[in-house]
Amino acid sequence: KQEVTQIPAALSVPEGENLVLNCSFTDSAIYNLQWFRQDPGKGLTSLLLIQSSQREQTSGRLNASLDKSSGRSTLYIAASQPGDSATYLCAVYREDDYKLSFGAGTTVTVRA
Amino acid sequence: GAVVSQHPSWVICKSGTSVKIECRSLDFQATTMFWYRQFPKQSLMLMATSNEGSKATYEQGVEKDKFLINHASLTLSTLTVTSAHPEDSSFYICSALNSPLHFGNGTRLTVT
Repeated sequence: KQEVTQIPAALSVPEGENLVLNCSFTDSAIYNLQWFRQDPGKGLTSLLLIQSSQREQTSGRLNASLDKSSGRSTLYIAASQPGDSATYLCAVYREDDYKLSFGAGTTVTVRA
Repeated sequence: GAVVSQHPSWVICKSGTSVKIECRSLDFQATTMFWYRQFPKQSLMLMATSNEGSKATYEQGVEKDKFLINHASLTLSTLTVTSAHPEDSSFYICSALNSPLHFGNGTRLTVT
């Protein structure tokens, strides 16, 4: 069974600092990996999708890397802003059936 | 972009009653939808896969007679929590398959 772990569980930084969020998974035979943002009481917003053949994806201030062999992914957020405060979830696609295994998330607070 | 609408966004019901949650794909057809449940401070856990025109497939440990899923059309899947109990209080989120996955905004269920 795939286990997805996110460290740290919570993070508080001053505005402008870069953020590094970690995700690890136990079974390296994954299909894709996706990072989501979840605001309190809300649904999920997709941030970045990394396909199994890729090593990273970038969108604006966000960059996500994937190392399947070591079972790790890292989400970098550059020059954090208060609006980046949210919970960030890492999810791994099981094989190619679009079923996701989620981590518990990292809750980020960016202080103005 | 693809939109998934989930309704209601929150519901309070009394113990022993049933509650229906709807998940609609607004601008695309989805033969497959997924239902997830999220307890506070925990990961999203896949409950079941909803397949249009056929029976849903449930994950291990999920009671199919308690969580009834119907996917009667290509744009609508419903989850009915039957004889709800306080322990069923949770955040339920659906997703629809239109590569990549698109998520609804979730339903907060509180059973009193």
